Amino acid sequence: DTAVSQTPKYLVTQMGNDKSIKCEQNLGHDTMYWYKQDSKKFLKIMFSYNNKELIINETVPNRFSPKSPDKAHLNLHINSLELGDSAVYFCASSQGLGPELPTSYTFNYGYTFGSGTRLTVV
Amino acid sequence: AQSVTQLDSQVPVFEEAPVELRCNYSSSVSVYLFWYVQYPNQGLQLLLKYLSGSTLVESINGFEAEFNKSQTSFHLRKPSVHISDTAEYFCAVSLRNYGGATNKLIFGTGTLLAVQP
Repeated sequence: DTAVSQTPKYLVTQMGNDKSIKCEQNLGHDTMYWYKQDSKKFLKIMFSYNNKELIINETVPNRFSPKSPDKAHLNLHINSLELGDSAVYFCASSQGLGPELPTSYTFNYGYTFGSGTRLTVV
Repeated sequence: AQSVTQLDSQVPVFEEAPVELRCNYSSSVSVYLFWYVQYPNQGLQLLLKYLSGSTLVESINGFEAEFNKSQTSFHLRKPSVHISDTAEYFCAVSLRNYGGATNKLIFGTGTLLAVQP
């Protein structure tokens, strides 16, 4: 019954390899994100998808390619991995607050994060 | 552009003492405000949030935060901390949304709350 699940939890790979991280949410949210947490614990947005459409792409190298086959899934593929890609990658989801939604919905508004994928490039 | 500042990278405190973790933000438009907690080797959990209404918001485990618009702050407080509160605490903002997709979260650099016996 995990709300936002990521796989794998740990990923150790050599420089130059290609790897993918998968994310799935069962909350019915319409927006999904990838965040990167560096070694100093700083969290920064990488990508955001709304209903399978890319809406945020924050100056991320094009070796990183997100893919959203449906609004419940957002995968991250990384080509030609570099040492600097080592980090914890978090998937998250949220639901937009449309004007037609009742005021009470705001109590549930927020972002739900997965448990993270620790990527180590050696 | 929006930004979040957490001036204290680490706050050591003794068990049962009060604590305040500071958060200031900068934005030319209205924002939503959040505190997230990250326990060692775990993901991010929502601690509390301010969307609208009362400026004082509380969590179920005794934390509270007060939105101060004039000082653009959202400081987190707890009157008596426990060893189990040791974690990294992140303040974050997102733009107020009146329709359509939600906006990204912009995080501060985090504050490590280190509770000592």
